[in-house]
Amino acid sequence: EVQLLESGGGLVQPGGPLRLSCVASGFTFSSSAMSWVRQAPGKGLEWVSGISDSGDSAYFAESVKGRFTISRDNFRNTLYLQMSSLRAEDTAIYYCAKATDFLNYFDYWGQGTLVTVSS
Amino acid sequence: DIQMTQSPSSVSASVGSRVTITCRASQGISSWLAWYQQKPGKAPKLLIYAASRLQSGVPSRFGGSGSGTDFTLTISSLQPEDFATYYCQQAYSFPRTFGGGTKVEIK
Repeated sequence: EVQLLESGGGLVQPGGPLRLSCVASGFTFSSSAMSWVRQAPGKGLEWVSGISDSGDSAYFAESVKGRFTISRDNFRNTLYLQMSSLRAEDTAIYYCAKATDFLNYFDYWGQGTLVTVSS
Repeated sequence: DIQMTQSPSSVSASVGSRVTITCRASQGISSWLAWYQQKPGKAPKLLIYAASRLQSGVPSRFGGSGSGTDFTLTISSLQPEDFATYYCQQAYSFPRTFGGGTKVEIK
């Protein structure tokens, strides 16, 4: 059974950093591209970032480019999202998602972790 | 970025009825489109990919069609468990983008 378990969310002050983690199991993590998708309270879905299976290629939404970094540890089956210079508009549930093919579609999702940016 | 526009934003329908949701891309995306279902407090679930291919385990009452800029998701006979919000997503280019969502409510 595919499982994705996010952690690291919480309350952070504007301008602060936060690192999210997503531990994967039930599939060959090192062969799967992965993404982060977020959802602000009461709003729709926003793709944030994606990374290739090897970690060689990464892509970002314009809204987070230069502030967020995505990485992965294929030995620990773990995906990361390092967030810096956080803003109130980054407040959202952050979902880790397994991608089909090359970051085309998202066939498995974690339960999400809530990030709240507020003073 | 490619903008994805869904309509309607909400629809009220009865159990057993046919429901159609539309998604329009701001430029041609061939068949690089997916549909997701999200229930309150839950993560999204992939229903359809490549515009018309049913994801494994998804009931056959869900169907997708379209190519280029105009796409539809059809639920042929609405069931109680189908009341949810539905999103389209393009996979033609980065950044991946989602539509604003269509909430299917009980009539």
